[in-house]
Amino acid sequence: AQSVTQPDIHITVSEGASLELRCNYSYGATPYLFWYVQSPGQGLQLLLKYFSGDTLVQGIKGFEAEFKRSQSSFNLRKPSVHWSDAAEYFCASTSGTYKYIFGTGTRLKVLA
Amino acid sequence: NAGVMQNPRHLVRRRGQEARLRCSPMKGHSHVYWYRQLPEEGLKFMVYLQKENIIDESGMPKERFSAEFPKEGPSILRIQQVVRGDSAAYFCASSPRGSDVQSSTDTQYFGPGTRLTVL
Repeated sequence: AQSVTQPDIHITVSEGASLELRCNYSYGATPYLFWYVQSPGQGLQLLLKYFSGDTLVQGIKGFEAEFKRSQSSFNLRKPSVHWSDAAEYFCASTSGTYKYIFGTGTRLKVLA
Repeated sequence: NAGVMQNPRHLVRRRGQEARLRCSPMKGHSHVYWYRQLPEEGLKFMVYLQKENIIDESGMPKERFSAEFPKEGPSILRIQQVVRGDSAAYFCASSPRGSDVQSSTDTQYFGPGTRLTVL
């Protein structure tokens, strides 16, 4: 069965430091992949998505993610974290249907 | 351009009561999806609706749960005779179109969720 794993439940980084959030998927063919962010009291906001083509995807708020088929990964990165990036981040995938499969989320804390 | 709206944001019910969760999709979106997030778990698909039609309810428990998306008004997720295990966050998403995710117009946009607590 298709699954998405986010190994890190909590991550703490200092403001200005780089960030990488891990996401691994389990699916035979190439999935469609998404990263969403949820700030407190807000809905899930789409950061970026990968459908096909260039494996390095640029998103909003300075985020990027790289699809690596050999590692079944779609890690989210940001070169310099801002305090406003503190939130919960969800990785999701789909085989091409409306049934998104979500990871359990990574909660990011940013130290001043 | 308002996003997906959900209300209430927090709902407390006692065991045996009914819970009604409402979702208003983004303007121009006619497809609605409900997901449930149990504690320490990821969001899980429950049901997919278009106006006046249930397309796929394979993720919804067979008993006590129902969903509708009437011609007028919001989509409603209804849980009858709630039990403690129903305590969760319920998220609604909408998209302009349905099953083909290859187009950016099919991406699902999520609301803030309703946090249901059953005492």
